[in-house]
Amino acid sequence: KNQVEQSPQSLIILEGKNCTLQCNYTVSPFSNLRWYKQDTGRGPVSLTIMTFSENTKSNGRYTATLDADTKQSSLHITASQLSDSASYICVVSEASGTYKYIFGTGTRLKVLA
Amino acid sequence: EAGVVQSPRYKIIEKKQPVAFWCNPISGHNTLYWYRQNLGQGPELLIRYENEEAVDDSQLPKDRFSAERLKGVDSTLKIQPAELGDSAVYLCASTGLAGKPFSTDTQYFGPGTRLTVL
Repeated sequence: KNQVEQSPQSLIILEGKNCTLQCNYTVSPFSNLRWYKQDTGRGPVSLTIMTFSENTKSNGRYTATLDADTKQSSLHITASQLSDSASYICVVSEASGTYKYIFGTGTRLKVLA
Repeated sequence: EAGVVQSPRYKIIEKKQPVAFWCNPISGHNTLYWYRQNLGQGPELLIRYENEEAVDDSQLPKDRFSAERLKGVDSTLKIQPAELGDSAVYLCASTGLAGKPFSTDTQYFGPGTRLTVL
């Protein structure tokens, strides 16, 4: 069964600190992997999109990595800000005929002053 | 340019009542998605449209849920009758390319409609 698992479920860090969120998937055949940020009461907003051949992609203070061999991805947040408090959702697209997005349950990040 | 627009933002109804949600995707986007998101969970696809055709409705509970996208632009999602378990956020999203997630086209989400069924 195609699944996307994220860890930790929740995380609390102090402003200015770095953190890394994990995403493991069993989706096959793999098409691409996306990280979204979802603020409370808002829809998800795309941060990065990576295909099979991409190992890393950055978007400002957000850096995503992908290891297609081990089916793992991480999202690293550098020098966290209060505005980074949100849920971060990992989404993997399968390349079969159904063209489905498989969503993780997200990691809820809280940045404290 | 306006993003994905959804209305209403909030809806409170009693069980067994009907409810409808409306979505206007980004102008020119061919593919439209309806998702349901329960608290603390990731979104779950209900239906995907490419233009006016529903190409994936396998997860739509067809006994009570219906959707339409008559002119291939805006869309409505209806629940009749609503049940307590339908309380969730209903998200609409759109992408520009006709419709393959193996593309790296960005999926844009609306703010969602938070439904509470009492």
